[in-house]
Amino acid sequence: RKEVEQDPGPFNVPEGATVAFNCTYSNSASQSFFWYRQDCRKEPKLLMSVYSSGNEDGRFTAQLNRASQYISLLIRDSKLSDSATYLCVVNGASGSARQLTFGSGTQLTVLP
Amino acid sequence: DAEITQSPRHKITETGRQVTLACHQTWNHNNMFWYRQDLGHGLRLIHYSYGVQDTNKGEVSDGYSVSRSNTEDLPLTLESAASSQTSVYFCASSVGPSPQYEQFFGPGTRLTVL
Repeated sequence: RKEVEQDPGPFNVPEGATVAFNCTYSNSASQSFFWYRQDCRKEPKLLMSVYSSGNEDGRFTAQLNRASQYISLLIRDSKLSDSATYLCVVNGASGSARQLTFGSGTQLTVLP
Repeated sequence: DAEITQSPRHKITETGRQVTLACHQTWNHNNMFWYRQDLGHGLRLIHYSYGVQDTNKGEVSDGYSVSRSNTEDLPLTLESAASSQTSVYFCASSVGPSPQYEQFFGPGTRLTVL
């Protein structure tokens, strides 16, 4: 089992749609969770951290389910500019609490 | 503006050659990281450093080395390049110790080993 696992997609959705991505992680001791965004042939950039109580940033909502060891990202009212690959990132998955493990990413394309 | 840069942006080399990829950041961050990104694997940690003279091995360190002689730079050396090291390499830095602090990534170096 991969340490951090994501559905690679691609997810193709129309503008204005709501889309959700899930990510599962293997180490129950993991404490820090993030979603990064990576545009085609560009560097990853932090989208948002994921907190235990769930958190929202505009059209983006992140949630954590520790019991089932998964995190989710919900994007409402999708925009063309949301087209990117979304990387799930977890600490401790590879054994060291200080190291981050990146999922392979979920590709999203928002269609006009 | 403070930034993190990588050079070269693209490199083609031959099997067996030594290659050094540069990473330079102007944020005065103590923590610096090198990752490689391959299809189907996501980003994998190669080496990292928490300060000058500190270096540590990551998940996929075989065939790579780093040195940290100052705060701004963490060069990555491939001692004897192999075709399996063809990849996109990202350098990153953070103001504080992982994992709580955001990592800022450089633009990447696309390396091809023939």
